[in-house]
Amino acid sequence: QVQLVESGGGVVQPGGSLRLSCEASGFTFSSYGMHWVRQAPGKGLEWVAFIRYDGTNKYYGDSVKGRFTISRDNSKNTLDLQMNSLRAEDTAVYYCAKVGSIRAAARGGFDYWGQGTLVTVSS
Amino acid sequence: QSALTQPASVSGSPGQSITISCTGTSSDVGGYNYVSWYQQHPGKAPKLMIYDVSNRPSGVSSRFSGSKSGNTASLTISGLQAEDEADYYCSSYTGSILDVVFGGGTKLTVL
Repeated sequence: QVQLVESGGGVVQPGGSLRLSCEASGFTFSSYGMHWVRQAPGKGLEWVAFIRYDGTNKYYGDSVKGRFTISRDNSKNTLDLQMNSLRAEDTAVYYCAKVGSIRAAARGGFDYWGQGTLVTVSS
Repeated sequence: QSALTQPASVSGSPGQSITISCTGTSSDVGGYNYVSWYQQHPGKAPKLMIYDVSNRPSGVSSRFSGSKSGNTASLTISGLQAEDEADYYCSSYTGSILDVVFGGGTKLTVL
């Protein structure tokens, strides 16, 4: 069965850095695009970043562009999110999500989500 | 990246039908058939309920259906059940520089 397990969350000071990871299993990881989506406490979902199935293209939401970097290692079935210059407004639960259709960006929706990892930016 | 517009809340009695709207623009909802709907219970990860406007993943009840007209997509839940009480989010592909945008979410209360 498909599983996505995030890790790496925690408390970090403003201006600091954190690296999130998402370990995937139960499907051919190298064939699917992957996204990061976050949810601030008590708020709605916000799209953060996307990486193509082969890692050749990466896209970011305006609020994280230039500060966050998405990457993947298809040999290890892992997805990462390097977060730099963190701000209080980056405080959220971060989810990794799999695209539903093979080699697609959004077709098929986000059919599997991890359980999320909480990032708290506070001094 | 403007969020899609959803009603903040909707409610219905068990057995009734409700519809949640999701309004965007011709650059997102109206321009692509990549609208999805997600159900989220408190403290849980979102769950895909509808993808590509009107397709239902295996395992999702047929009581859930999706549609789109112009720049507005809709999620209809028929035969409301207590377990349907949750937050619902729509999302759409926006095309330009591969963006994905979510709606603000709708809290469904089953009376």
